[in-house]
Amino acid sequence: AQSVSQHNHHVILSEAASLELGCNYSYGGTVNLFWYVQYPGQHLQLLLKYFSGDPLVKGIKGFEAEFIKSKFSFNLRKPSVQWSDTAEYFCAVATGRRALTFGSGTRLQVQP
Amino acid sequence: EAQVTQNPRYLITVTGKKLTVTCSQNMNHEYMSWYRQDPGLGLRQIYYSMNVEVTDKGDVPEGYKVSRKEKRNFPLILESPSPNQTSLYFCASSLQPRSGELFFGEGSRLTVL
Repeated sequence: AQSVSQHNHHVILSEAASLELGCNYSYGGTVNLFWYVQYPGQHLQLLLKYFSGDPLVKGIKGFEAEFIKSKFSFNLRKPSVQWSDTAEYFCAVATGRRALTFGSGTRLQVQP
Repeated sequence: EAQVTQNPRYLITVTGKKLTVTCSQNMNHEYMSWYRQDPGLGLRQIYYSMNVEVTDKGDVPEGYKVSRKEKRNFPLILESPSPNQTSLYFCASSLQPRSGELFFGEGSRLTVL
């Protein structure tokens, strides 16, 4: 069965700092990859997705992610974070019938 | 407006008292799923349904039941809740499960005393 690992559990940054959140998955076949965001007190929302093609994908609010197949990774990046980016971020993998398998999440705290 | 609606949003109950969390979607999605979210564990899938009358276990199905009698509704049933089922529950739906593009409800926070 597939699994998703997010190694950073809690990240604290100052505004304007750059962000990179790690995500690794274990699955040997074709995958669809996602990052979801959960703002405080809200439900999950899709941030960006990768199905095929250009491994560098751009999402909403200035986020991007790079798929590196050889490393089984799909790291999330943002050049300059804002206080409003404070949220929990989930990496997820879709491989078949069951839709998504989620990582354990990374809580991002951006200090003004 | 396209949405997934869960009820109740908040519930405190006692051990053993049966409860149902309802979930309804208005997007004509065939796929629906229930997740529970716990600190440090992310979201874990409880049950999912590919279509009406078709349900399957996810990663953590013990203590839960579901039914899918209509396309739009996918209730989660706790026949005899226990304290370890205290959690935040999310219902989600999708047009194509492998697309991974899930639409989530607002969540239901359940506390079992």
